[in-house]
Amino acid sequence: AQRVTQPEKLLSVFKGAPVELKCNYSYSGSPELFWYVQYSRQRLQLLLRHISRESIKGFTADLNKGETSFHLKKPFAQEEDSAMYYCALSEMNRDDKIIFGKGTRLHILP
Amino acid sequence: EAGVAQSPRYKIIEKRQSVAFWCNPISGHATLYWYQQILGQGPKLLIQFQNNGVVDDSQLPKDRFSAERLKGVDSTLKIQPAKLEDSAVYLCASSLGAGRGYEQYFGPGTRLTVT
Repeated sequence: AQRVTQPEKLLSVFKGAPVELKCNYSYSGSPELFWYVQYSRQRLQLLLRHISRESIKGFTADLNKGETSFHLKKPFAQEEDSAMYYCALSEMNRDDKIIFGKGTRLHILP
Repeated sequence: EAGVAQSPRYKIIEKRQSVAFWCNPISGHATLYWYQQILGQGPKLLIQFQNNGVVDDSQLPKDRFSAERLKGVDSTLKIQPAKLEDSAVYLCASSLGAGRGYEQYFGPGTRLTVT
């Protein structure tokens, strides 16, 4: 079965330090990977997708098919980055249904 | 543009009671999704509509859950009868079309507590 694993429930990082949120997936086809974010009292929203290869709010994520990973990185954490982050996978040929991981809460320490 | 609207925002019911949630997607969005998010988990797709037709309801517990999107716009999700394990946030999302190329926009969710 297709799965998305986020090994950390909570990640605390000091402001200005690098951030890496881990995501591993299992999928037999060609997946599309996403990162979604939910800030406090806001709606779940798309942060970035691997096919876009863009940096959003300083965050980047590279799809590593060999390691089946899609880790989210930012070189210098900011306090406004504190939020819940979900890694997600889209299944091809299943009407592109999205499967979410359990999420990692990122807490930026002052 | 106005976002996805959901109501109610909170609902507390006793087990075996019935409950209904309403969703109004972004205008012009053909695809509508209902997700269930249990505490500590990521959202899980319950049902996906394309206009007023069901695309995927494979994870909808059909013995107690039902959903409809009669005119291809608003949608309702019903639980009858509710169980304790149905306590969750129910998220509605919409997108212009179906497929991975279309971004899903989420509503604020309805938090259901079953006692």
